[in-house]
Amino acid sequence: GENVEQHPSTLSVQEGDSAVIKCTYSDSASNYFPWYKQELGKRPQLIIDIRSNVGEKKDQRIAVTLNKTAKHFSLHITETQPEDSAVYFCAAKGASGTYKYIFGTGTRLKVLA
Amino acid sequence: SQTIHQWPATLVQPVGSPLSLECTVEGTSNPNLYWYRQAAGRGLQLLFYSVGIGQISSEVPQNLSASRPQDRQFILSSKKLLLSDSGFYLCAWSVLGSWQYFGPGTRLTVT
Repeated sequence: GENVEQHPSTLSVQEGDSAVIKCTYSDSASNYFPWYKQELGKRPQLIIDIRSNVGEKKDQRIAVTLNKTAKHFSLHITETQPEDSAVYFCAAKGASGTYKYIFGTGTRLKVLA
Repeated sequence: SQTIHQWPATLVQPVGSPLSLECTVEGTSNPNLYWYRQAAGRGLQLLFYSVGIGQISSEVPQNLSASRPQDRQFILSSKKLLLSDSGFYLCAWSVLGSWQYFGPGTRLTVT
């Protein structure tokens, strides 16, 4: 069945450094890849997404890259701040007609001041 | 604008008791609706999703059930709760295959 692997499970960085989280998906028909940030006790919230016809997307300090051939996509956070500390989830959605979103297992990011 | 509501926000229930969690969406029509469960410190487990009234797809066989009596209402139920049903229950909606928007969640503790 469909699967999304996410690495690392935990990540600690110094404030101001960059953080990279990587995901690999199994369904080659997947065409939409959102990233969510979940703070402790709160709901997951979308921070950035990318579609399969785009290789990279950037929004201020956050960027996502997609390699369709390798079925990899990554989240890049630059100039990390303590408020970036949270759990981050990647997800993949299949082609039109598929309603399920397959989530990765999450990465707990700690930004050390 | 679209909003999603869940209630109750927290719930403590004894083992063997029934459960009913409700989710409603405002500001959109014919949304795809989802129920997820998140155990403490874990990822998101998809329980059910619905693409229309009365249409429910189950992802994990268990003692839970879901219903969609109205276009923007999604209900999660159980006849008898287990200890393992404890967790953070999240409802979500999506339209036109875009991103999912999650509700505030219900934190359920089964004692």
